[in-house]
Amino acid sequence: AQTVTQSQPEMSVQEAETVTLSCTYDTSESNYYLFWYKQPPSRQMILVIRQEAYKQQNATENRFSVNFQKAAKSFSLKISDSQLGDTAMYFCAFIFWGGGSQGNLIFGKGTKLSVKP
Amino acid sequence: NAGVMQNPRHLVRRRGQEARLRCSPMKGHSHVYWYRQLPEEGLKFMVYLQKENIIDESGMPKERFSAEFPKEGPSILRIQQVVRGDSAAYFCASSPPGQGFRRTEAFFGQGTRLTVV
Repeated sequence: AQTVTQSQPEMSVQEAETVTLSCTYDTSESNYYLFWYKQPPSRQMILVIRQEAYKQQNATENRFSVNFQKAAKSFSLKISDSQLGDTAMYFCAFIFWGGGSQGNLIFGKGTKLSVKP
Repeated sequence: NAGVMQNPRHLVRRRGQEARLRCSPMKGHSHVYWYRQLPEEGLKFMVYLQKENIIDESGMPKERFSAEFPKEGPSILRIQQVVRGDSAAYFCASSPPGQGFRRTEAFFGQGTRLTVV
């Protein structure tokens, strides 16, 4: 079974500092994609960053970057220069095709991040 | 280009009534996914549809739940004879046609929060 584990239910960080959210996953597939989604209080699911498993280079999007360790099945999200607007639930997720999967997302339970002024 | 539109945003039903949730995908998107989010949980896949076809319904409860994506009009998630345990946020996502990385561009609606009283 494919699973995603986020071991930090809640985290907090001071504005302008850096925070890292952890995610591990379990799959026997070799080709898949990994994502971090942000869900602010508005409930909208917003894609933050995505990573192709066959690419060794870590993805970056402005203040957001990932540390992808394929052998360890780890996919952490680093947020630099945290802003108040980063306060949200963050979900790690992945997609794979094959083995009966049709490309649906598999989500972790989320990490609630609070950015404090 | 409007995003994924879900309505209603909030829906209250009494036990035993029917709930109908609607999702209009982004223009040009041919894949629709429905997810359910229980309180304090991540999103769980329910069903994947293309126009007039259910491709994967492995996440749908066996009874009372059904989904469709007709040739014309929005995708509908129908829950018959609702019970308190159906209270959740229901999200729809759409993605463009094609395979591989492009299919990972899933865009989410704002969700419908169903409350069963």
